[in-house]
Amino acid sequence: SQQGEEDPQALSIQEGENATMNCSYKTSINNLQWYRQNSGRGLVHLILIRSNEREKHSGRLRVTLDTSKKSSSLLITASRAADTASYFCAPGAGGGNKLTFGTGTQLKVEL
Amino acid sequence: ETGVTQTPRHLVMGMTNKKSLKCEQHLGHNAMYWYKQSAKKPLELMFVYSLEERVENNSVPSRFSPECPNSSHLFLHLHTLQPEDSALYLCASSQELQGLGRGPLHFGNGTRLTVT
Repeated sequence: SQQGEEDPQALSIQEGENATMNCSYKTSINNLQWYRQNSGRGLVHLILIRSNEREKHSGRLRVTLDTSKKSSSLLITASRAADTASYFCAPGAGGGNKLTFGTGTQLKVEL
Repeated sequence: ETGVTQTPRHLVMGMTNKKSLKCEQHLGHNAMYWYKQSAKKPLELMFVYSLEERVENNSVPSRFSPECPNSSHLFLHLHTLQPEDSALYLCASSQELQGLGRGPLHFGNGTRLTVT
């Protein structure tokens, strides 16, 4: 298994702005997932992108995947205060039982 | 998200106590997981169960003892813990083992454990 590394560690923006978070990983993957965690709560799955996909949308979320650079990005458009949370990426590789997470990006959306 | 329920939400225990954390999933999933989340550290995968069989034990100290009596329930038995074991303990489930890449993990809201 491998752990994704999220960047930046912390991000503070104003409501209505876009937020971009990045994820890098080291070895080949089958898919990559993004999760959100509100303070003191469990992680919530946001979106899964497969290794043969380059971009995926879900509502205000846009995820890109560049397997040649071993990186992914999560874009949240028109952010809201309710988007304040930590965001984690989880690279998924076949053959293992583990889905591991990094330390996440802490996003704060201010009014 | 109410598909995975963890109890208790908060637990304070002394180093000599014995306690158990409980996790129940109502999603009909076949795999269940325990994760530990400490401040400013990556989530640590502790244990993985598939169809009630432990398939992963991530070098976790023996003071943590998991139990999976059926595919809907997962326990983490705790004894003689250390203060550094204080953390948020998260339970998760998935339809299949994550290595098969078939869909997401569903997490509970965790148990905040404080060891005094």
